[in-house]
Amino acid sequence: DGGITQSPKYLFRKEGQNVTLSCEQNLNHDAMYWYRQDPGQGLRLIYYSQIVNDFQKGDIAEGYSVSREKKESFPLTVTSAQKNPTAFYLCASSPRDTWGKLFFGSGTQLSVL
Amino acid sequence: DQQVKQNSPSLSVQEGRISILNCDYTNSMFDYFLWYKKYPAEGPTFLISISSIKDKNEDGRFTVFLNKSAKHLSLHIVPSQPGDSAVYFCAASDSGTYKYIFGTGTRLKVLA
Repeated sequence: DGGITQSPKYLFRKEGQNVTLSCEQNLNHDAMYWYRQDPGQGLRLIYYSQIVNDFQKGDIAEGYSVSREKKESFPLTVTSAQKNPTAFYLCASSPRDTWGKLFFGSGTQLSVL
Repeated sequence: DQQVKQNSPSLSVQEGRISILNCDYTNSMFDYFLWYKKYPAEGPTFLISISSIKDKNEDGRFTVFLNKSAKHLSLHIVPSQPGDSAVYFCAASDSGTYKYIFGTGTRLKVLA
Protein backbone atom coordinates (compact mmCIF):
# COMPACT_ATOMS: atom_id res chain seq x y z
CA ASP A 1 0.00 0.00 0.00
CA GLY A 2 1.24 3.47 -0.82
CA GLY A 3 1.54 5.97 1.96
CA ILE A 4 3.62 8.09 4.28
CA THR A 5 5.36 6.56 7.27
CA GLN A 6 6.49 8.63 10.22
CA SER A 7 8.64 7.23 12.98
CA PRO A 8 8.80 7.05 15.87
CA LYS A 9 5.24 7.68 17.04
CA TYR A 10 6.50 9.04 20.38
CA LEU A 11 9.88 10.66 21.03
CA PHE A 12 11.46 12.18 24.10
CA ARG A 13 14.19 14.77 24.03
CA LYS A 14 16.57 15.72 26.79
CA GLU A 15 17.76 19.29 27.26
CA GLY A 16 20.49 20.21 24.78
CA GLN A 17 19.89 17.16 22.62
CA ASN A 18 19.21 17.03 18.89
CA VAL A 19 16.59 14.54 17.74
CA THR A 20 15.60 13.44 14.23
CA LEU A 21 12.09 12.56 13.08
CA SER A 22 11.81 10.22 10.14
CA CYS A 23 9.42 10.60 7.21
CA GLU A 24 9.31 8.18 4.27
CA GLN A 25 6.85 8.07 1.38
CA ASN A 26 6.32 5.57 -1.42
CA LEU A 27 3.77 7.64 -3.34
CA ASN A 28 6.39 8.91 -5.80
CA HIS A 29 5.54 12.48 -4.78
CA ASP A 30 7.96 15.27 -5.57
CA ALA A 31 7.03 17.64 -2.74
CA MET A 32 7.30 16.95 0.99
CA TYR A 33 6.40 19.04 4.03
CA TRP A 34 6.82 19.27 7.80
CA TYR A 35 4.15 20.85 9.98
CA ARG A 36 3.93 21.36 13.72
CA GLN A 37 0.67 21.29 15.73
CA ASP A 38 0.48 22.65 19.25
CA PRO A 39 -2.51 21.89 21.51
CA GLY A 40 -5.57 23.82 20.38
CA GLN A 41 -3.71 25.36 17.46
CA GLY A 42 -3.51 24.88 13.75
CA LEU A 43 -0.79 23.40 11.59
CA ARG A 44 2.24 25.61 11.14
CA LEU A 45 4.69 25.01 8.28
CA ILE A 46 8.28 24.33 9.33
CA TYR A 47 10.03 23.36 6.07
CA TYR A 48 9.03 22.13 2.65
CA SER A 49 10.81 20.62 -0.31
CA GLN A 50 9.56 20.74 -3.88
CA ILE A 51 12.24 18.49 -5.30
CA VAL A 52 15.26 16.42 -4.28
CA ASN A 53 18.24 18.42 -2.97
CA ASP A 54 16.14 21.54 -2.52
CA PHE A 55 14.08 22.84 0.40
CA GLN A 56 12.61 26.11 1.67
CA LYS A 57 11.90 27.52 5.11
CA GLY A 58 8.31 27.72 6.22
CA ASP A 59 6.88 30.08 8.81
CA ILE A 60 8.62 28.61 11.89
CA ALA A 61 11.94 27.16 10.66
CA GLU A 62 14.13 28.46 13.49
CA GLY A 63 15.61 25.62 15.56
CA TYR A 64 14.91 22.99 12.88
CA SER A 65 16.89 21.52 10.00
CA VAL A 66 16.00 19.19 7.13
CA SER A 67 17.60 17.32 4.27
CA ARG A 68 16.21 15.93 1.02
CA GLU A 69 18.81 13.57 -0.39
CA LYS A 70 16.26 11.08 -1.70
CA LYS A 71 12.83 11.57 -3.20
CA GLU A 72 11.31 9.18 -0.67
CA SER A 73 12.78 10.68 2.50
CA PHE A 74 12.54 14.04 4.27
CA PRO A 75 13.93 13.80 7.84
CA LEU A 76 13.45 16.66 10.29
CA THR A 77 16.03 17.41 12.99
CA VAL A 78 14.87 19.31 16.05
CA THR A 79 18.00 21.01 17.34
CA SER A 80 18.85 22.23 20.83
CA ALA A 81 18.19 25.76 19.54
CA GLN A 82 14.45 24.98 19.44
CA LYS A 83 13.47 26.05 22.94
CA ASN A 84 9.89 24.83 22.86
CA PRO A 85 9.96 21.57 20.90
CA THR A 86 7.04 19.81 22.57
CA ALA A 87 4.42 19.40 19.85
CA PHE A 88 2.81 16.97 17.42
CA TYR A 89 4.81 16.84 14.19
CA LEU A 90 3.20 15.95 10.88
CA CYS A 91 4.89 15.06 7.61
CA ALA A 92 3.05 15.36 4.31
CA SER A 93 3.70 14.87 0.63
CA SER A 94 2.13 16.14 -2.57
CA PRO A 95 2.46 15.23 -6.27
CA ARG A 96 3.28 18.85 -7.08
CA ASP A 97 0.47 18.99 -9.59
CA THR A 98 -1.20 22.36 -9.98
CA TRP A 99 -4.17 21.21 -7.93
CA GLY A 100 -2.40 18.53 -5.93
CA LYS A 101 -3.52 17.74 -2.40
CA LEU A 102 -1.44 16.92 0.65
CA PHE A 103 -1.26 13.40 2.02
CA PHE A 104 -0.29 13.19 5.69
CA GLY A 105 1.50 10.67 7.84
CA SER A 106 0.19 9.64 11.25
CA GLY A 107 2.44 12.04 13.17
CA THR A 108 5.15 12.01 15.85
CA GLN A 109 4.55 13.36 19.36
CA LEU A 110 7.74 14.94 20.67
CA SER A 111 8.08 15.70 24.36
CA VAL A 112 10.89 17.19 26.44
CA LEU A 113 12.16 15.30 29.49
CA ASP B 1 0.43 37.29 10.25
CA GLN B 2 -2.34 34.71 9.98
CA GLN B 3 -3.04 34.35 6.26
CA VAL B 4 -5.76 31.74 6.76
CA LYS B 5 -8.25 32.20 9.58
CA GLN B 6 -10.97 30.05 11.08
CA ASN B 7 -12.65 32.35 13.54
CA SER B 8 -14.92 29.76 15.17
CA PRO B 9 -12.90 27.43 17.41
CA SER B 10 -15.88 25.15 17.94
CA LEU B 11 -19.33 24.32 16.60
CA SER B 12 -22.10 22.04 17.85
CA VAL B 13 -24.83 20.76 15.55
CA GLN B 14 -27.69 18.31 15.94
CA GLU B 15 -27.49 15.09 13.96
CA GLY B 16 -29.24 15.43 10.60
CA ARG B 17 -28.88 19.21 10.46
CA ILE B 18 -26.45 21.23 8.36
CA SER B 19 -22.93 22.04 9.62
CA ILE B 20 -21.33 25.19 8.18
CA LEU B 21 -17.65 25.78 8.78
CA ASN B 22 -16.09 29.04 7.68
CA CYS B 23 -12.63 30.12 6.60
CA ASP B 24 -11.19 33.49 5.58
CA TYR B 25 -7.93 34.27 3.84
CA THR B 26 -5.94 37.40 3.18
CA ASN B 27 -3.50 36.50 0.41
CA SER B 28 -5.02 37.18 -3.01
CA MET B 29 -2.41 34.91 -4.60
CA PHE B 30 -4.08 31.83 -3.10
CA ASP B 31 -5.81 29.92 -5.87
CA TYR B 32 -6.44 26.48 -4.41
CA PHE B 33 -8.28 25.64 -1.21
CA LEU B 34 -8.69 22.40 0.69
CA TRP B 35 -10.56 21.06 3.71
CA TYR B 36 -9.14 18.40 6.00
CA LYS B 37 -10.62 16.43 8.87
CA LYS B 38 -8.47 15.49 11.85
CA TYR B 39 -8.82 13.25 14.88
CA PRO B 40 -6.48 13.63 17.92
CA ALA B 41 -3.01 12.10 17.52
CA GLU B 42 -3.66 11.28 13.86
CA GLY B 43 -2.74 12.89 10.56
CA PRO B 44 -5.37 14.98 8.78
CA THR B 45 -7.37 13.31 6.02
CA PHE B 46 -8.42 15.12 2.86
CA LEU B 47 -12.11 15.92 2.44
CA ILE B 48 -12.68 18.21 -0.50
CA SER B 49 -10.97 20.97 -2.47
CA ILE B 50 -11.79 23.83 -4.80
CA SER B 51 -9.76 25.86 -7.25
CA SER B 52 -10.23 29.56 -7.79
CA ILE B 53 -11.80 29.00 -11.19
CA LYS B 54 -14.87 27.56 -9.47
CA ASP B 55 -17.22 28.87 -6.81
CA LYS B 56 -18.68 25.54 -5.70
CA ASN B 57 -17.57 21.94 -5.47
CA GLU B 58 -19.66 19.06 -4.21
CA ASP B 59 -18.79 15.54 -3.08
CA GLY B 60 -21.55 13.57 -1.45
CA ARG B 61 -22.56 15.23 1.83
CA PHE B 62 -19.75 17.78 1.55
CA THR B 63 -19.93 21.03 -0.43
CA VAL B 64 -17.34 23.80 -0.48
CA PHE B 65 -18.24 27.33 -1.54
CA LEU B 66 -15.69 29.95 -2.54
CA ASN B 67 -16.33 33.69 -2.57
CA LYS B 68 -13.19 35.20 -4.07
CA SER B 69 -14.27 38.81 -3.72
CA ALA B 70 -14.79 38.32 0.02
CA LYS B 71 -11.79 35.99 0.35
CA HIS B 72 -14.05 33.54 2.12
CA LEU B 73 -14.80 29.86 1.82
CA SER B 74 -17.16 27.60 3.65
CA LEU B 75 -17.70 23.88 4.06
CA HIS B 76 -21.26 22.58 4.29
CA ILE B 77 -21.97 19.11 5.64
CA VAL B 78 -25.51 17.86 5.04
CA PRO B 79 -26.81 15.88 6.81
CA SER B 80 -24.40 15.96 9.73
CA GLN B 81 -23.62 12.63 11.39
CA PRO B 82 -22.00 11.83 14.78
CA GLY B 83 -19.01 10.36 12.92
CA ASP B 84 -18.36 13.82 11.51
CA SER B 85 -17.25 15.01 14.95
CA ALA B 86 -13.61 16.05 14.53
CA VAL B 87 -11.44 19.10 14.00
CA TYR B 88 -11.71 20.59 10.52
CA PHE B 89 -8.90 22.58 8.95
CA CYS B 90 -9.03 24.71 5.86
CA ALA B 91 -5.85 25.21 3.86
CA ALA B 92 -4.87 27.52 1.03
CA SER B 93 -2.17 27.34 -1.58
CA ASP B 94 -0.58 29.52 -4.19
CA SER B 95 -0.23 26.84 -6.84
CA GLY B 96 2.95 28.42 -8.14
CA THR B 97 4.77 27.87 -4.84
CA TYR B 98 3.33 24.50 -3.77
CA LYS B 99 3.17 25.94 -0.26
CA TYR B 100 0.08 25.09 1.80
CA ILE B 101 -1.01 27.31 4.69
CA PHE B 102 -3.49 26.00 7.25
CA GLY B 103 -6.03 27.71 9.47
CA THR B 104 -6.30 27.10 13.21
CA GLY B 105 -9.15 24.62 12.92
CA THR B 106 -12.78 24.33 14.03
CA ARG B 107 -13.86 21.55 16.37
CA LEU B 108 -17.20 20.16 15.17
CA LYS B 109 -19.37 18.19 17.54
CA VAL B 110 -22.43 16.49 16.08
CA LEU B 111 -24.93 15.65 18.78
CA ALA B 112 -27.00 12.47 18.46
